[in-house]
Amino acid sequence: NAGVTQTPKFRILKIGQSMTLQCTQDMNHNYMYWYRQDPGMGLKLIYYSVGAGITDKGEVPNGYNVSRSTTEDFPLRLELAAPSQTSVYFCASKSPGTGGGYTFGSGTRLTVV
Amino acid sequence: EDQVTQSPEALRLQEGESSSLNCSYTVSGLRGLFWYRQDPGKGPEFLFTLYSAGEEKEKERLKATLTKKESFLHITAPKPEDSATYLCAVQETKGGGADGLTFGKGTHLIIQP
Repeated sequence: NAGVTQTPKFRILKIGQSMTLQCTQDMNHNYMYWYRQDPGMGLKLIYYSVGAGITDKGEVPNGYNVSRSTTEDFPLRLELAAPSQTSVYFCASKSPGTGGGYTFGSGTRLTVV
Repeated sequence: EDQVTQSPEALRLQEGESSSLNCSYTVSGLRGLFWYRQDPGKGPEFLFTLYSAGEEKEKERLKATLTKKESFLHITAPKPEDSATYLCAVQETKGGGADGLTFGKGTHLIIQP
């Protein structure tokens, strides 16, 4: 099993550009999440999804959009990139319930200049 | 005010020197407390979930414990390969977000040979 796969691993964007961060999981997990991690800060939840067709905002959703057309895929869209969106982005998935932890991808390091 | 506070921010130990990492939390109702390990350039890797005060879990040289206000990650006779950032996260009973977690900022642990 590949687990959670994120692409690209690195990206440099210019201010105002747009891009999509890809996330795919092969564990048939219903729940998927996008977090961002800034230096010296804890991971912050951007968006989450409990299943195909269902998404909701997390703690820091401004400037981002998501979609969930299949169980496997949960892309994160950045519109009009800003320097404040420079961060490392992690996608994660899990099965419903309180037990067990997330499975994280290896992250996308994004720099907006 | 941070809901999850980890201390110390950084810790340097000699190989074989045991110590403990602390995670204090201030949520109104705890569904679960999670420990993750994160290596540089990688996503967090799940270690433990604790649900109630008094609970303990072990894995190799690591043991996690939980009280009503804090959790400890005890590291016994650590080896250089235990060097990593250790993240603590909590899940609240009243929280939405489909099992969303609130993370601390982490403790950066270095084990010197």
